[in-house]
Amino acid sequence: EVQLVQSGGTLAQPGGSLRLSCEASGLIFDIYAMNWVRQAPGKGLEWVSSISGDGGTTYYADSVMGRFSISRDNSKKTVYLQIKSLRVDDTAVYYCAKGQVVVPAPLDSWGQGTLVTVSS
Amino acid sequence: DIEMTQSPSSVSASVGDRVTITCRASESISRWLAWYQQKPGQAPRLLIYDASRLQDGVPSRFSGSGSGTDFTLTISGLQPEDFASYYCQQAQTFPYSFGQGTYLDI
Repeated sequence: EVQLVQSGGTLAQPGGSLRLSCEASGLIFDIYAMNWVRQAPGKGLEWVSSISGDGGTTYYADSVMGRFSISRDNSKKTVYLQIKSLRVDDTAVYYCAKGQVVVPAPLDSWGQGTLVTVSS
Repeated sequence: DIEMTQSPSSVSASVGDRVTITCRASESISRWLAWYQQKPGQAPRLLIYDASRLQDGVPSRFSGSGSGTDFTLTISGLQPEDFASYYCQQAQTFPYSFGQGTYLDI
């Protein structure tokens, strides 16, 4: 069974930085694309970023380009989302989600979500 | 970028009813469409992919259809546990895009 366990959510100040982590188990991690999706309070789902299995290709939503950075450590079966220059509108629950070997593709396993609150 | 539009935004139904949710893409996405269910306080769950393929473990009362720009999710014989929000997502091209969601109130 695939499990994705997230960590790193916190209360942060505008302009600050943080890193979210998502550790996978129950799968051959380095062949699957991984993704981050966020959900602002009371709002819908917003795709944020994706990374290929080998980490060589990344994709970003325009809304986060230049401030967010996705990466992965296949030896640790972990994907990261580095967020800098935090803004109040980055406040959301952030989910990591497993994709497929080939992208684009649907997201078939999700982490539990981690809350990022940006406030002064 | 491809825009996804769902309707209705909310729907009320009773146990045993049949409910249909529609999703329209701003351009053709062939059959590269997925449907997700999200219950309050939980992560989304993949229900259907490739417009009509049922994800493992999903009850057969869920079904999907459509191609090109118009898609539907049908739940036949609503159960109390189907109270949730439902989202469509195009999986044809980056950036991925989701519909705004449909809130199903039992």
